[in-house]
Amino acid sequence: GDSVTQMEGPVTLSEEAFLTINCTYTATGYPSLFWYVQYPGEGLQLLLKATKADDKGSNKGFEATYRKETTSFHLEKGSVQVSDSAVYFCALSLNDYKLSFGAGTTVTVRA
Amino acid sequence: SQTIHQWPATLVQPVGSPLSLECTVEGTSNPNLYWYRQAAGRGLQLLFYSVGIGQISSEVPQNLSASRPQDRQFILSSKKLLLSDSGFYLCAWSVWGENYGYTFGSGTRLTVV
Repeated sequence: GDSVTQMEGPVTLSEEAFLTINCTYTATGYPSLFWYVQYPGEGLQLLLKATKADDKGSNKGFEATYRKETTSFHLEKGSVQVSDSAVYFCALSLNDYKLSFGAGTTVTVRA
Repeated sequence: SQTIHQWPATLVQPVGSPLSLECTVEGTSNPNLYWYRQAAGRGLQLLFYSVGIGQISSEVPQNLSASRPQDRQFILSSKKLLLSDSGFYLCAWSVWGENYGYTFGSGTRLTVV
């Protein structure tokens, strides 16, 4: 079935460090890909998305590129802040009914 | 603008008691609605989704049920809670034909004691 695999955490970084969270997917068709972020005690917020191959999603300094050849959608940020501490979820959707999530990666940024 | 309301924010219930969590959406019509559960330290599990009034699809067999009495209202229920029902419950909506992902509510932290 369709699924998402993302790197296990937790990930601990210092401020201004480079962040990468790997995400790969398995799908029978051509999915849309998403990154969601969950700040402590809150629900999930859409961080960025890409709907077709080679699309780059970006928001708040985060970027991810839809790579069909490697079935990947890795999340990157060049210089993290303490406020980026959160749980990050990679997800895919082949239709509007279901969104399949990865297990989530906890990121902690230390001052 | 579209908004989603989910309540209560936190809930502590004894084992064997009933449960009712409510979710309402504003600013859109005929949304797809979802209930997810996030257990401690784990990812998101889709529990139920609904594409219309009275239409409920269950993803996993469990102690919970869902209902959609109105277009923009989605209710998660249980007749008798189990300890294993503890978790963070999230409601979400999406719109058919617009594959922009979901919009999530702020969640309900349920602790069964």
